[in-house]
Amino acid sequence: ETGVTQTPRHLVMGMTNKKSLKCEQHLGHNAMYWYKQSAKKPLELMFVYNFKEQTENNSVPSRFSPECPNSSHLFLHLHTLQPEDSALYLCASSRAVLTRGNEKLFFGSGTQLSVL
Amino acid sequence: DAKTTQPPSMDCAEGRAANLPCNHSTISGNEYVYWYRQIHSQGPQYIIHGLKNNETNEMASLIITEDRKSSTLILPHATLRDTAVYYCIVRVNQLSGSARQLTFGSGTQLTVLP
Repeated sequence: ETGVTQTPRHLVMGMTNKKSLKCEQHLGHNAMYWYKQSAKKPLELMFVYNFKEQTENNSVPSRFSPECPNSSHLFLHLHTLQPEDSALYLCASSRAVLTRGNEKLFFGSGTQLSVL
Repeated sequence: DAKTTQPPSMDCAEGRAANLPCNHSTISGNEYVYWYRQIHSQGPQYIIHGLKNNETNEMASLIITEDRKSSTLILPHATLRDTAVYYCIVRVNQLSGSARQLTFGSGTQLTVLP
């Protein structure tokens, strides 16, 4: 148990569906992140939030829409996805944004997304 | 950030020490060395990090060479549950840095054999 909880654990959706991924952290952290991990590929950073404000968007397509209502919750809203968006989506948090080399990331177990 | 080089895979017998190497020959003086691991279909898990000195915690030991160009993660008594991909990452301690600098490469697939 890392203190970062993601739901759902698995999700299958069609290309015309709208769905949302949820992440909640119980660590009192101020920064939250979305990562994407496609099969056989390294993790890719998608979005960074610091104190509810988005600080980084790593050129992510607009069909992925993040939302951070408070420092403990992070959502990823999905609409009109493509089959190539099928991947493991990971949420992470840290005490502060990773601008210092001494910060550690705590990851959730991820949502395995399949787009049909 | 400095790039790292790790062997793609390693095997280790259960109960023996697992020594995972990492080369980071272009590391600069203000870059930390981090180790994370990822068990299949789970999120990565922080293991340990260090700057210059060797470090030890309840999970592992980190040995950094004097010139800081390489390091070794040591799992003293590997168990089957230690089978995972192990990532060695170096990143700078810099206030203006980007989270993109914490880049996960391909890592080393460690398989602990019974």
